[in-house]
Amino acid sequence: SAVISQKPSRDICQRGTSLTIQCQVDSQVTMMFWYRQQPGQSLTLIATANQGSEATYESGFVIDKFPISRPNLTFSTLTVSNMSPEDSSIYLCSAGRTGWNEQFFGPGTRLTVL
Amino acid sequence: DAKTTQPPSMDCAEGRAANLPCNHSTISGNEYVYWYRQIHSQGPQYIIHGLKNNETNEMASLIITEDRKSSTLILPHATLRDTAVYYCIVRLNFGNEKLTFGTGTRLTIIP
Repeated sequence: SAVISQKPSRDICQRGTSLTIQCQVDSQVTMMFWYRQQPGQSLTLIATANQGSEATYESGFVIDKFPISRPNLTFSTLTVSNMSPEDSSIYLCSAGRTGWNEQFFGPGTRLTVL
Repeated sequence: DAKTTQPPSMDCAEGRAANLPCNHSTISGNEYVYWYRQIHSQGPQYIIHGLKNNETNEMASLIITEDRKSSTLILPHATLRDTAVYYCIVRLNFGNEKLTFGTGTRLTIIP
């Protein structure tokens, strides 16, 4: 199993600024993912954070807006750049490993952009 | 990943069995059925998964039809803490595979 923590848990930001969200896993994992959950909606995958290489983005998400780092097997960051009110969402990271049946999720970061 | 169809909402009386259906008519032979739930203000939590046989764990039971085109998640004795959004997902059984979430079923347990 894995325990995932995220920082910050919530933030209120001004439009045009950027916020970096950290995701820490308590054990080494193969894959880390970033999701967005807009108010009242389901989760949408933003990208897969690859260790040692560029992240793989889903359709509709681009690196300039959501740069991702994955420096090692337990840590990743997601930056929400040049924010607008439409970026107000919960951002969640998850982790999986070969041999595991399940993915584990962090508690999420609640972002409000004014 | 194959798509799934779930009812948007359901109610269940506390102490009763909650039966949550899911249709996945385009599931392929090597895809598994997974269930996750998301309690308010928390990240999703894994519940159970299966390929074609019925499965049971400490949280729930999963019944998959013989043609694998639908399944039912059963919470045998629902409590108020089971109030959550339940997601049925079909995917390959690799721990490093991404999850594609549908709209899920909002289950409300009524006292």
